[in-house]
Amino acid sequence: AQSVAQPEDQVNVAEGNPLTVKCTYSVSGNPYLFWYVQYPNRGLQFLLKYITGDNLVKGSYGFEAEFNKSQTSFHLKKPSALVSDSALYFCAVRDRRGGSYIPTFGRGTSLIVHP
Amino acid sequence: NAGVTQTPKFRVLKTGQSMTLLCAQDMNHEYMYWYRQDPGMGLRLIHYSVGEGTTAKGEVPDGYNVSRLKKQNFLLGLESAAPSQTSVYFCASSQGVTNTEAFFGQGTRLTVV
Repeated sequence: AQSVAQPEDQVNVAEGNPLTVKCTYSVSGNPYLFWYVQYPNRGLQFLLKYITGDNLVKGSYGFEAEFNKSQTSFHLKKPSALVSDSALYFCAVRDRRGGSYIPTFGRGTSLIVHP
Repeated sequence: NAGVTQTPKFRVLKTGQSMTLLCAQDMNHEYMYWYRQDPGMGLRLIHYSVGEGTTAKGEVPDGYNVSRLKKQNFLLGLESAAPSQTSVYFCASSQGVTNTEAFFGQGTRLTVV
């Protein structure tokens, strides 16, 4: 089965500093990778995805992610963090179940941006 | 733009009671999913459906049943609620093409006492 791991339960960063939320993957074949964000008491919202092509993927709210095949990583990044970026972030991978492809999520990383 | 709508948003059940959670999507998506979210566990797949009239088990299906009689609706049933089913439940849908993202509802917070 395909899977993703998020090694950090929590990331703390000061407002204005760059942020990185880490994700590593384990897949056979080409990975289809996603990042989602969850604000308090809300459902998950899609941020960005890597399917193929350029290793640097740009998404919503100024976020981007770097796909690194040799390190099997797909880290989420933002050059300058905002307090409003504080949320729970999930990395996800397309997992094959039977003949279908189903999103499988990591455990999530809580991002806290301090003023 | 409604997207994915879950009802109810909150519910308290007594152990042994039954209930049905309703998920409706207006995007004509083929795939629909039910996940549960627990602290430190991320999202775990309960059941999913790849089209009207089809359902399949996910990682944690025990104690739950589902039905997809209409393409736009995906129902999650708890036959006899247990405290271990206290969780936040999320429904999601996607187009079914392998590289597309999922759209989520706002969740149902269920407490079983």
